Amino acid sequence: GAGVSQTPSNKVTEKGKYVELRCDPISGHTALYWYRQSLGQGPEFLIYFQGTGAADDSGLPNDRFFAVRPEGSVSTLKIQRTERGDSAVYLCASSNGPGETQYFGPGTRLLVL
Amino acid sequence: GEDVEQSLFLSVREGDSSVINCTYTDSSSTYLYWYKQEPGAGLQLLTYIFSNMDMKQDQRLTVLLNKKDKHLSLRIADTQTGDSAIYFCAERGNQGGKLIFGQGTELSVKP
Repeated sequence: GAGVSQTPSNKVTEKGKYVELRCDPISGHTALYWYRQSLGQGPEFLIYFQGTGAADDSGLPNDRFFAVRPEGSVSTLKIQRTERGDSAVYLCASSNGPGETQYFGPGTRLLVL
Repeated sequence: GEDVEQSLFLSVREGDSSVINCTYTDSSSTYLYWYKQEPGAGLQLLTYIFSNMDMKQDQRLTVLLNKKDKHLSLRIADTQTGDSAIYFCAERGNQGGKLIFGQGTELSVKP
């Protein structure tokens, strides 16, 4: 595709619910990254995939957060039992290899009421 | 641990030069990046510099890197109102691909 796309663009949910956020990377990019950006802050790293496997998940805040990339392309970030503190913009990026420049999608704005 | 710091705000007049500064702590950083974020939009890569360089110029943008002081700056020449945005400095270490971002500098350009 032309760029990284993310769906939905906005998601409103209630505390305690489960959400899934989707990322479509640039076609052919082997590395995919998830970041979280809280209001007034810079993006914070969550997890990155090289192919289908999670190469570094050190940024996931707790076990309520999980991400998959089963076919090495599209990735889904899953958040269980959402809390109000999970409200943020979730950004996805992809690159043509782990050391290459990362290109970001527009983000999913998550609001937990 | 790794940390990246930026000043939060900068205000300039249209036509002036803007200089946005950033400091980082990870001496193993291999690449340093500048991203631009406009309201409600994603991050747009502006430019980057490899850690063995001390300067890179790209049209109106000049990046200076002082590796000894771990200081990075972005100079925008002839700043325009369309340059108003938040600018993020980010560094990448030599292990894996994750980026460490600063808090962002909000640039306001007044006509």
